[in-house]
Amino acid sequence: SAVISQKPSRDICQRGTSLTIQCQVDSQVTMMFWYRQQPGQSLTLIATANQGSEATYESGFVIDKFPISRPNLTFSTLTVSNMSPEDSSIYLCSVVNRVWDTEAFFGQGTRLTVV
Amino acid sequence: GQQLNQSPQSMFIQEGEDVSMNCTSSSIFNTWLWYKQEPGEGPVLLIALYKAGELTSNGRLTAQFGITRKDSFLNISASIPSDVGIYFCAGRTGGSYIPTFGRGTSLIVHP
Repeated sequence: SAVISQKPSRDICQRGTSLTIQCQVDSQVTMMFWYRQQPGQSLTLIATANQGSEATYESGFVIDKFPISRPNLTFSTLTVSNMSPEDSSIYLCSVVNRVWDTEAFFGQGTRLTVV
Repeated sequence: GQQLNQSPQSMFIQEGEDVSMNCTSSSIFNTWLWYKQEPGEGPVLLIALYKAGELTSNGRLTAQFGITRKDSFLNISASIPSDVGIYFCAGRTGGSYIPTFGRGTSLIVHP
């Protein structure tokens, strides 16, 4: 399976600021996703990160709030913009390699607290 | 959209006991997945099931893909303290690589 590294692993941020989370994979993968996991909750898909084009967002998530980049097959970023305490969550990067027909694998997550 | 009902929500057991949790869906899935998430980590895939009726083991873990394709269960035998974590079921339809997740079962094992 791919090794997925997320940075930072945790952060405490002031409301109104923005945080960019990085996801680096040790091999090329066909699909990359970003999830949010609110305290004590399940995983909610934010968007699919598309290489070289705009991400595909799920209902309830918009590009202005969660801009995503994916410049190549091994790297993606998620920005949480204009943060409020309601954005306090774990944000998870996930990858699927359709070439090897794998299931979804996850990074270790970024625990964000907004104060 | 598709919804997964996972139960129980939490379990508090003694070391050595067996554990059983299940997941049901209002719609059919082609793939059932079971993940474990430990504190401070992302979910880790434990077992993947691809065929109705399939029974698959991974060490002390056994999972089954229900005949109706709308349910799955996970059993853990002879639990140990390191089994502590949140277990998520997830279902995937044939046309998508994106799983739908259940709400998780939080497992606490007392030594």
